[in-house]
Amino acid sequence: TQLLEQSPQFLSIQEGENLTVYCNSSSVFSSLQWYRQEPGEGPVLLVTVVTGGEVKKLKRLTFQFGDARKDSSLHITAAQPGDTGLYLCAGAWEYGNKLVFGAGTILRVKS
Amino acid sequence: DAMVIQNPRYQVTQFGKPVTLSCSQTLNHNVMYWYQQKSSQAPKLLFHYYDKDFNNEADTPDNFQSRRPNTSFCFLDIRSPGLGDAAMYLCATSLGGTAGQPQHFGDGTRLSIL
Repeated sequence: TQLLEQSPQFLSIQEGENLTVYCNSSSVFSSLQWYRQEPGEGPVLLVTVVTGGEVKKLKRLTFQFGDARKDSSLHITAAQPGDTGLYLCAGAWEYGNKLVFGAGTILRVKS
Repeated sequence: DAMVIQNPRYQVTQFGKPVTLSCSQTLNHNVMYWYQQKSSQAPKLLFHYYDKDFNNEADTPDNFQSRRPNTSFCFLDIRSPGLGDAAMYLCATSLGGTAGQPQHFGDGTRLSIL
């Protein structure tokens, strides 16, 4: 059983559509990070959310951390082909340096 | 620009022939990580160093070892690669001290086994 459940696993949409990716856990995290990975490259940090209920926006991307700090969502408005990639959520514990990664969401945006 | 550099980008080795992957960083981060990533899956942590302290994951095979001769460099040694070890290997770094620091990844080394 995954400690951090990420859904959906795959998403194929048309350019201009909206989408939401979910990351859920029964554990409380001190913070949650979202990464995006393009083929042949390493993951790149998009955002870190720290406070329960926090909402952060990055252009067309909106990230939310659940009030109980057990879940998070990533919403993309008007998706573009350049958004295509593997999206990973990663939870951080209160102590230590390791991250717990979700299984990832493969997003494909067709033009 | 400060960064994490992995060499080579592509490595081909023979079944059972030892191979070493390298990672260097100019971020002066004290934590370095090695991950294995198979096709479109999440990275799987193999081990990490906090300064010189080595931390192995419980399910990392004995076949995988690591060395960190100084702050900037870290190596992944695979003693006897099997076909199942073909994967992308990612190196990452982060600051130590406070938990939840973001990790900075290199672009990976894709390892193929013949």
